[in-house]
Amino acid sequence: DAGVTQSPTHLIKTRGQQVTLRCSPKSGHDTVSWYQQALGQGPQFIFQYYEEEERQRGNFPDRFSGHQFPNYSSELNVNALLLGDSALYLCASSPGTGGRDYGYTFGSGTRLTVV
Amino acid sequence: SQQGEEDPQALSIQEGENATMNCSYKTSINNLQWYRQNSGRGLVHLILIRSNEREKHSGRLRVTLDTSKKSSSLLITASRAADTASYFCATGIGVSGSARQLTFGSGTQLTVLP
Repeated sequence: DAGVTQSPTHLIKTRGQQVTLRCSPKSGHDTVSWYQQALGQGPQFIFQYYEEEERQRGNFPDRFSGHQFPNYSSELNVNALLLGDSALYLCASSPGTGGRDYGYTFGSGTRLTVV
Repeated sequence: SQQGEEDPQALSIQEGENATMNCSYKTSINNLQWYRQNSGRGLVHLILIRSNEREKHSGRLRVTLDTSKKSSSLLITASRAADTASYFCATGIGVSGSARQLTFGSGTQLTVLP
Protein backbone atom coordinates (compact mmCIF):
# COMPACT_ATOMS: atom_id res chain seq x y z
CA ASP A 1 0.00 0.00 0.00
CA ALA A 2 1.78 3.14 -1.23
CA GLY A 3 1.93 6.01 1.18
CA VAL A 4 2.09 9.66 0.19
CA THR A 5 4.27 10.22 -2.86
CA GLN A 6 5.91 13.57 -3.57
CA SER A 7 7.89 14.71 -6.58
CA PRO A 8 10.48 15.85 -7.24
CA THR A 9 12.68 14.97 -4.27
CA HIS A 10 15.02 17.89 -4.73
CA LEU A 11 14.74 21.05 -6.78
CA ILE A 12 16.95 24.09 -7.37
CA LYS A 13 15.37 27.25 -8.75
CA THR A 14 16.49 30.79 -9.38
CA ARG A 15 14.96 33.74 -7.55
CA GLY A 16 11.94 35.05 -9.44
CA GLN A 17 11.13 31.74 -11.11
CA GLN A 18 8.01 29.65 -10.59
CA VAL A 19 7.87 26.09 -9.27
CA THR A 20 5.29 23.29 -9.15
CA LEU A 21 5.46 20.50 -6.60
CA ARG A 22 3.33 17.38 -6.83
CA CYS A 23 1.72 15.05 -4.34
CA SER A 24 -0.20 11.79 -4.61
CA PRO A 25 -2.10 10.96 -1.41
CA LYS A 26 -2.22 7.61 0.28
CA SER A 27 -4.73 5.21 -1.22
CA GLY A 28 -8.15 5.86 0.26
CA HIS A 29 -7.31 9.42 1.33
CA ASP A 30 -9.11 12.34 -0.29
CA THR A 31 -7.79 15.31 1.69
CA VAL A 32 -4.39 16.86 1.02
CA SER A 33 -2.55 19.43 3.11
CA TRP A 34 0.69 21.23 2.34
CA TYR A 35 3.30 22.37 4.86
CA GLN A 36 6.50 24.37 4.60
CA GLN A 37 9.37 23.46 6.90
CA ALA A 38 12.35 25.80 7.15
CA LEU A 39 15.62 24.38 8.40
CA GLY A 40 15.53 23.79 12.15
CA GLN A 41 11.85 24.69 12.44
CA GLY A 42 8.57 22.86 12.70
CA PRO A 43 6.28 22.60 9.67
CA GLN A 44 4.01 25.56 8.90
CA PHE A 45 0.56 24.97 7.41
CA ILE A 46 0.10 26.39 3.91
CA PHE A 47 -3.36 25.12 2.87
CA GLN A 48 -5.64 22.11 2.66
CA TYR A 49 -7.62 20.77 -0.30
CA TYR A 50 -10.75 18.64 -0.25
CA GLU A 51 -13.14 17.91 -3.12
CA GLU A 52 -10.89 19.97 -5.40
CA GLU A 53 -11.35 23.10 -3.32
CA GLU A 54 -9.08 24.96 -0.93
CA ARG A 55 -10.96 24.76 2.33
CA GLN A 56 -8.43 26.28 4.70
CA ARG A 57 -5.36 28.44 4.29
CA GLY A 58 -2.51 29.39 6.57
CA ASN A 59 -0.63 32.66 6.72
CA PHE A 60 1.06 32.48 3.32
CA PRO A 61 0.97 35.06 0.50
CA ASP A 62 -0.97 34.64 -2.72
CA ARG A 63 2.26 33.60 -4.44
CA PHE A 64 1.46 30.20 -2.98
CA SER A 65 -1.39 28.49 -4.78
CA GLY A 66 -2.59 24.97 -5.21
CA HIS A 67 -4.84 22.61 -7.01
CA GLN A 68 -6.45 19.27 -6.36
CA PHE A 69 -7.40 16.93 -9.18
CA PRO A 70 -10.37 14.52 -9.38
CA ASN A 71 -8.04 11.62 -8.47
CA TYR A 72 -7.21 13.53 -5.22
CA SER A 73 -3.62 14.27 -6.22
CA SER A 74 -2.48 17.82 -5.64
CA GLU A 75 -0.04 20.46 -6.82
CA LEU A 76 1.58 23.32 -4.96
CA ASN A 77 2.65 26.28 -7.07
CA VAL A 78 4.91 29.06 -5.90
CA ASN A 79 5.40 32.14 -8.09
CA ALA A 80 8.12 34.79 -7.97
CA LEU A 81 10.37 32.69 -5.80
CA LEU A 82 12.28 34.37 -2.99
CA LEU A 83 15.39 33.13 -1.25
CA GLY A 84 13.24 32.70 1.86
CA ASP A 85 11.10 30.13 0.07
CA SER A 86 13.95 27.65 0.38
CA ALA A 87 12.56 24.89 2.56
CA LEU A 88 11.29 21.34 2.76
CA TYR A 89 7.73 21.17 1.42
CA LEU A 90 5.65 18.41 2.92
CA CYS A 91 2.40 16.96 1.70
CA ALA A 92 0.06 15.23 4.14
CA SER A 93 -3.07 13.24 3.40
CA SER A 94 -6.00 11.98 5.39
CA PRO A 95 -9.43 10.47 4.78
CA GLY A 96 -11.97 13.28 4.96
CA THR A 97 -11.78 14.86 8.38
CA GLY A 98 -9.91 11.87 9.78
CA GLY A 99 -6.68 13.80 10.02
CA ARG A 100 -7.77 15.86 12.96
CA ASP A 101 -9.05 12.76 14.76
CA TYR A 102 -6.52 10.11 13.79
CA GLY A 103 -3.48 11.89 12.40
CA TYR A 104 -2.03 12.56 8.98
CA THR A 105 0.19 10.56 6.67
CA PHE A 106 3.12 12.63 5.42
CA GLY A 107 5.23 12.24 2.32
CA SER A 108 9.03 12.45 2.35
CA GLY A 109 8.93 16.01 1.07
CA THR A 110 10.46 18.09 -1.69
CA ARG A 111 13.61 20.02 -0.80
CA LEU A 112 13.43 23.36 -2.64
CA THR A 113 16.53 25.53 -2.84
CA VAL A 114 16.20 29.03 -4.28
CA VAL A 115 19.46 30.62 -5.42
CA SER B 1 3.98 31.48 14.35
CA GLN B 2 4.51 28.36 16.40
CA GLN B 3 1.66 27.26 18.66
CA GLY B 4 3.75 25.02 20.82
CA GLU B 5 7.23 24.79 22.16
CA GLU B 6 9.07 21.57 22.84
CA ASP B 7 11.48 21.22 25.71
CA PRO B 8 14.31 20.41 25.65
CA GLN B 9 15.45 21.49 22.19
CA ALA B 10 18.01 18.68 22.22
CA LEU B 11 18.34 15.52 24.28
CA SER B 12 21.12 12.94 24.27
CA ILE B 13 20.76 9.63 26.14
CA GLN B 14 22.23 6.14 26.22
CA GLU B 15 20.48 3.21 24.62
CA GLY B 16 18.11 1.57 27.08
CA GLU B 17 17.37 4.77 28.98
CA ASN B 18 14.03 6.54 28.92
CA ALA B 19 13.54 9.80 27.03
CA THR B 20 11.03 12.44 28.05
CA MET B 21 10.05 15.39 25.89
CA ASN B 22 7.66 18.14 26.84
CA CYS B 23 5.38 20.36 24.79
CA SER B 24 3.59 23.51 25.81
CA TYR B 25 0.91 25.25 23.78
CA LYS B 26 -1.00 28.49 23.99
CA THR B 27 -4.64 28.10 22.98
CA SER B 28 -7.45 25.64 23.55
CA ILE B 29 -7.10 22.48 21.51
CA ASN B 30 -9.19 19.63 20.13
CA ASN B 31 -6.34 17.19 20.20
CA LEU B 32 -2.56 16.97 20.38
CA GLN B 33 -0.47 14.77 18.14
CA TRP B 34 3.15 13.67 18.26
CA TYR B 35 5.23 13.08 15.13
CA ARG B 36 8.75 11.82 14.48
CA GLN B 37 11.02 13.06 11.70
CA ASN B 38 14.21 11.35 10.62
CA SER B 39 16.98 13.44 9.05
CA GLY B 40 14.74 16.23 7.72
CA ARG B 41 12.50 13.90 5.76
CA GLY B 42 8.80 13.10 6.14
CA LEU B 43 6.97 13.06 9.44
CA VAL B 44 5.61 9.87 10.92
CA HIS B 45 2.50 10.02 13.08
CA LEU B 46 3.16 8.46 16.48
CA ILE B 47 0.14 9.06 18.68
CA LEU B 48 -2.88 11.33 19.11
CA ILE B 49 -4.44 12.30 22.42
CA ARG B 50 -7.79 14.07 22.59
CA SER B 51 -8.44 17.04 24.83
CA ASN B 52 -10.65 14.94 27.12
CA GLU B 53 -7.95 12.30 27.62
CA ARG B 54 -5.15 12.49 30.19
CA GLU B 55 -2.89 9.62 29.21
CA LYS B 56 -2.38 7.30 26.28
CA HIS B 57 -0.03 4.43 25.53
CA SER B 58 1.26 2.92 22.29
CA GLY B 59 4.00 0.32 22.54
CA ARG B 60 7.02 2.02 24.13
CA LEU B 61 5.34 5.43 23.94
CA ARG B 62 3.41 7.12 26.69
CA VAL B 63 1.77 10.50 26.21
CA THR B 64 0.17 12.65 28.87
CA LEU B 65 -1.91 15.77 28.44
CA ASP B 66 -2.66 18.44 31.02
CA THR B 67 -5.09 20.93 29.50
CA SER B 68 -5.09 23.08 32.65
CA LYS B 69 -1.35 23.67 32.18
CA LYS B 70 -1.56 23.53 28.39
CA SER B 71 1.20 20.97 28.27
CA SER B 72 1.93 17.45 27.10
CA SER B 73 4.78 15.03 27.53
CA LEU B 74 6.05 12.15 25.41
CA LEU B 75 7.92 9.34 27.14
CA ILE B 76 9.88 6.80 25.12
CA THR B 77 10.88 3.85 27.27
CA ALA B 78 13.91 1.59 26.72
CA SER B 79 15.21 3.79 23.91
CA ARG B 80 17.03 2.39 20.89
CA ALA B 81 19.49 3.93 18.45
CA ALA B 82 16.71 3.82 15.86
CA ASP B 83 14.72 6.28 17.99
CA THR B 84 17.23 9.00 17.06
CA ALA B 85 15.11 11.64 15.33
CA SER B 86 13.35 14.96 15.80
CA TYR B 87 10.07 14.80 17.67
CA PHE B 88 7.30 17.36 17.17
CA CYS B 89 4.07 18.00 18.95
CA ALA B 90 1.23 19.38 16.87
CA THR B 91 -2.08 20.77 17.97
CA GLY B 92 -5.40 20.83 16.21
CA ILE B 93 -7.11 23.96 17.44
CA GLY B 94 -10.49 25.60 17.44
CA VAL B 95 -13.80 24.34 16.16
CA SER B 96 -14.16 21.93 13.26
CA GLY B 97 -13.08 24.44 10.62
CA SER B 98 -9.76 25.50 12.00
CA ALA B 99 -9.08 22.07 13.42
CA ARG B 100 -8.24 21.01 9.89
CA GLN B 101 -4.78 22.48 10.24
CA LEU B 102 -2.02 21.34 12.55
CA THR B 103 0.22 23.82 14.33
CA PHE B 104 3.65 22.40 15.13
CA GLY B 105 6.24 23.23 17.73
CA SER B 106 9.93 23.62 16.95
CA GLY B 107 10.79 20.06 17.89
CA THR B 108 13.13 18.13 20.17
CA GLN B 109 16.19 16.51 18.61
CA LEU B 110 16.71 13.17 20.35
CA THR B 111 20.01 11.34 20.01
CA VAL B 112 20.24 7.81 21.39
CA LEU B 113 23.83 6.69 21.79
CA PRO B 114 24.65 2.97 21.39
